Amino acid sequence: DADVTQTPRNRITKTGKRIMLECSQTKGHDRMYWYRQDPGLGLRLIYYSFDVKDINKGEISDGYSVSRQAQAKFSLSLESAIPNQTALYFCATSDLTSGGHEQFFGPGTRLTVL
Amino acid sequence: GDSVTQMEGPVTLSEEAFLTINCTYTATGYPSLFWYVQYPGEGLQLLLKATKADDKGSNKGFEATYRKETTSFHLEKGSVQVSDSAVYFCALRGDSNYQLIWGAGTKLIIKP
Repeated sequence: DADVTQTPRNRITKTGKRIMLECSQTKGHDRMYWYRQDPGLGLRLIYYSFDVKDINKGEISDGYSVSRQAQAKFSLSLESAIPNQTALYFCATSDLTSGGHEQFFGPGTRLTVL
Repeated sequence: GDSVTQMEGPVTLSEEAFLTINCTYTATGYPSLFWYVQYPGEGLQLLLKATKADDKGSNKGFEATYRKETTSFHLEKGSVQVSDSAVYFCALRGDSNYQLIWGAGTKLIIKP
């Protein structure tokens, strides 16, 4: 079983629609992250959370919001999707006790906004 | 701010060739350095890491040495296989934060 799961794996939507991407983990990690990946740009951090009550903006949070419903669940929302949010989205986790050195990634969600 | 620069791809090699993917960084203090690999259709996974100067990280035949004097962490493998085809990301974690700073990624294509 995968330790970090993301749903859906693929999504096509239209401009202006609200979209939620979900992430669940069974690793027991306290830290969770949302990234987007665009060709030639590497990974860019959208939001991160160090525990249920701690949410922080990353490099590119505009147009996104998140919810940490439980230690194991971290959702990313696009309130009104636009075409330049078309990208591959990854959730990741890390463990406080290891200093966050290693992040564990989900398989990604490919989002297309038409 | 901190940054990571890695060579542009794609890098195309024949099987059993020697591989080098260059990575240089800009950071204050003493960052930790990482190489992650992304196989087709999958998320990223840690390949190797080094947490202090002159450390050598190694895994699956890949190696990288933390060179503070040249601010580099180049990835090498002596004999690549078709199964090494993937995208490789160099990253750093600075002294004062818990975020990873990522390079743009280098796509590696190995031909039989």
